[in-house]
Amino acid sequence: QKEVEQDPGPLSVPEGAIVSLNCTYSNSAFQYFMWYRQYSRKGPELLMYTYSSGNKEDGRFTAQVDKSSKYISLFIRDSQPSDSATYLCAMSSPESGYALNFGKGTSLLVTP
Amino acid sequence: EADIYQTPRYLVIGTGKKITLECSQTMGHDKMYWYQQDPGMELHLIHYSYGVNSTEKGDLSSESTVSRIRTEHFPLTLESARPSHTSQYLCASSEPRQRDTQYFGPGTRLTVL
Repeated sequence: QKEVEQDPGPLSVPEGAIVSLNCTYSNSAFQYFMWYRQYSRKGPELLMYTYSSGNKEDGRFTAQVDKSSKYISLFIRDSQPSDSATYLCAMSSPESGYALNFGKGTSLLVTP
Repeated sequence: EADIYQTPRYLVIGTGKKITLECSQTMGHDKMYWYQQDPGMELHLIHYSYGVNSTEKGDLSSESTVSRIRTEHFPLTLESARPSHTSQYLCASSEPRQRDTQYFGPGTRLTVL
């Protein structure tokens, strides 16, 4: 079993929709959770960073972590065509020296 | 904004050639990483470095080698390229004081014919 599972999609939504992206994980030692956005032929760009459980909001983006369920989510409100990209979840723990464990990424397409 | 650079961005080369992929960062980060990314697959760590003169192999076995002579520079070398090396190579760096949040370069897309 992979430590981080993420549905690759693709996910297609109309402009203005609320998007929900999710990852599950198996390693209860993970404490730091990240979402990266990767446009085609570019490197991943850090979008959100969360420690432990709870919510974090930044503009149209909200990251949620539920450690009891080993489940993390990224919500995008009022989605825009410019949000079309692959979204990668990543997580780490102090025990592993903060090495990042990535999901496969979910491909999102926001249509005008 | 992260300042991490990779050259070349795209490289098409024949089998058996020696190649070096360059990675530089201007943030003074001690830790640097090389990942390999294939379409629809996770990023796989192939090399990392804790600082000057430190290099370690990552989770994914790779025929490439790395060096870290200067803090800002972490080149990756393939002595003899093969078609199986065709992939996207991503360089990243991190700062321990930021719990090693990693910042990525734009990537090098390598095609070996």
